[in-house]
Amino acid sequence: DAKTTQPPSMDCAEGRAANLPCNHSTISGNEYVYWYRQIHSQGPQYIIHGLKNNETNEMASLIITEDRKSSTLILPHATLRDTAVYYCIVGYDKVIFGPGTSLSVIP
Amino acid sequence: DAGVIQSPRHEVTEMGQEVTLRCKPISGHDYLFWYRQTMMRGLELLIYFNNNVPIDDSGMPEDRFSAKMPNASFSTLKIQPSEPRDSAVYFCASSLGNWFLGKDTGELFFGEGSRLTVL
Repeated sequence: DAKTTQPPSMDCAEGRAANLPCNHSTISGNEYVYWYRQIHSQGPQYIIHGLKNNETNEMASLIITEDRKSSTLILPHATLRDTAVYYCIVGYDKVIFGPGTSLSVIP
Repeated sequence: DAGVIQSPRHEVTEMGQEVTLRCKPISGHDYLFWYRQTMMRGLELLIYFNNNVPIDDSGMPEDRFSAKMPNASFSTLKIQPSEPRDSAVYFCASSLGNWFLGKDTGELFFGEGSRLTVL
C-alpha cells in the first residue's frame, strides 16, 4: 500500500473552510484515497473516499489531483466539533493509519 | 443497528494474566478488523478476517496474541500472558465488503474500543 504524508497539525477558524492536504505520490492505479477522523479517544469515523474523481458528501469534499499524487479534504464550514485527528489513507484492501493531521478549530 | 460492540470497555490486569477482548460486528458485515492504538505507535492493524477466516495477521506483535472468529457475529482477541507494554486501546471494526468489491462497501465502522492497562 502506498504511503501518505500529512502535516502533523493545523489550525482553522470556526466557520471557515478547513483544507487538509495529503501527499500520496506513490499511489497506484487501483488504490483508493480515503479519509477518517478520530475525535478525542473515540474510534475513527469514516469521512469520505475517492478513486479518481472529486467527491462530496454531507460531511466534506475530497479533491484529488489529476495525477492522483495528492488530495485535499475540505470541511466547508468548520465547527468546534470538527477538532480531531484526520487520517488520509491510500490502499485497496487494508486500512493502514499513519500519524494523521491534528486539526484544531479555534473560536 | 447498535453498531460494533466491544467488551470490556476497560480492563486492568496484572502482568502475566490472560486477557480476552470481545467484539460483535455489525450484522451482515463480512470483514472484521482488530486495531491497537498507543501514543507511541498510533493506530496499528493487528489482523483482519473475511467471512470468519483470518486473511492477514502480519500485524500481530507476537505469539502471545491470538485472534479468533468462530462465527459471523463474534470475535475475540486474546493476550496470554499479558505484559505492561500491551497497555493500549484496542479497537474492533467491521465493514460490509472491501473497496474493490464495490464503491460503497469498504467503509469501516469502529467500536468504542477496549482500554487495557497491564500493571
